Amino acid sequence: NAGVMQNPRHLVRRRGQEARLRCSPMKGHSHVYWYRQLPEEGLKFMVYLQKENIIDESGMPKERFSAEFPKEGPSILRIQQVVRGDSAAYFCASSPERWGDYEQYFGPGTRLTVT
Amino acid sequence: SQELEQSPQSLIVQEGKNLTINCTSSKTLYGLYWYKQKYGEGLIFLMMLQKGGEEKSHEKITAKLDEKKQQSSLHITASQPSHAGIYLCGAPDQTGANNLFFGTGTRLTVIP
Repeated sequence: NAGVMQNPRHLVRRRGQEARLRCSPMKGHSHVYWYRQLPEEGLKFMVYLQKENIIDESGMPKERFSAEFPKEGPSILRIQQVVRGDSAAYFCASSPERWGDYEQYFGPGTRLTVT
Repeated sequence: SQELEQSPQSLIVQEGKNLTINCTSSKTLYGLYWYKQKYGEGLIFLMMLQKGGEEKSHEKITAKLDEKKQQSSLHITASQPSHAGIYLCGAPDQTGANNLFFGTGTRLTVIP
């Protein structure tokens, strides 16, 4: 049973470009969470999604960031017009049910570098 | 919002020694999760504690949750180089919350 998969593992973008980060949850998991880990900082929650729905986006920056989890395919975290401050590790986690009741499994992360 | 403080921030121990990492919350804990992160990699789930006074063990790692003190401790017995990494505690802001807050981590180095 494959774990949470994220790709790409490393992504380099120039300022102003778009970054697309993908997350495939574990088989049977319908809940996806995105977290960001800035250099020398802790993990910060960004957004929680179920299939086709955003449940909680209280941690998402108001501009340039968006997330989706379509009926078919992986969850996508999209960052438009990237800036240097977006450089971070972005982690996706999945659970079979709502967080708080079940273990949450993390992917290996995507390391975004903005040059 | 929930704030979790971990201590120590970093720890260097000789192989075979025991060690303890603490995680203290600014608010009531509704559950506490311990993860391990290897540098440059993702998080590995270690343990989940939900009830006050709960204690869980897996191999040489034991975690306790003390709700009265709003604190959890992670104890490693007879440390090995494979235990090296960053240990993170995480907790929901409230019961059933989607949002997990994490501490800034404890970096453990085990010298062979």
